Amino acid sequence: DQQVKQNSPSLSVQEGRISILNCDYTNSMFDYFLWYKKYPAEGPTFLISISSIKDKNEDGRFTVFLNKSAKHLSLHIVPSQPGDSAVYFCAASAYSGGGADGLTFGKGTHLIIQP
Amino acid sequence: SAVISQKPSRDICQRGTSLTIQCQVDSQVTMMFWYRQQPGQSLTLIATANQGSEATYESGFVIDKFPISRPNLTFSTLTVSNMSPEDSSIYLCSVATGWTEAFFGQGTRLTVV
Repeated sequence: DQQVKQNSPSLSVQEGRISILNCDYTNSMFDYFLWYKKYPAEGPTFLISISSIKDKNEDGRFTVFLNKSAKHLSLHIVPSQPGDSAVYFCAASAYSGGGADGLTFGKGTHLIIQP
Repeated sequence: SAVISQKPSRDICQRGTSLTIQCQVDSQVTMMFWYRQQPGQSLTLIATANQGSEATYESGFVIDKFPISRPNLTFSTLTVSNMSPEDSSIYLCSVATGWTEAFFGQGTRLTVV
């Protein structure tokens, strides 16, 4: 039973447009959510996070939205740049542990930015 | 943040053998984690390694297959024992520096033939 789901294995977006990556979760105990970006042959790098007490968190070109009632979060990248092409993982943690309790990951979405 | 070095970055091993993966952190951290990413799958937590105590394993993972050492606050090892082709994965070390995001090493790509 997958507790964190990223239903789009891949997404193709034109350079300069908005990229929207979606993530759904089933465990209502999750209260801290993170997005990671991964290039081939590298470990995941932290991108942005959001606590369940918020519904939006913004950092430069990256914004994460959380809809607790729908158990849904999304990552918006605007404008999309060629360097954004990577696999994006949604991750969740329970008990407000941030990364300190171990994370539950989705399968990832491969974002491809087209020139 | 924390800088994490993992060794080896990749290896090809014969079935039935064991491989030990090392994880070195540039600062003292209480909690270290080991993850596995099988081909086409998400990252899955194997175990939590705390210094001074036994590692805590997630469901589906056992100490005999994945023994972990945590001799100090900056170092940990994960051994993949008696390997089979199904163990071919990327193994990642991760740390959490208190109430903050987790940081990852670059991973060890293991192929078992």
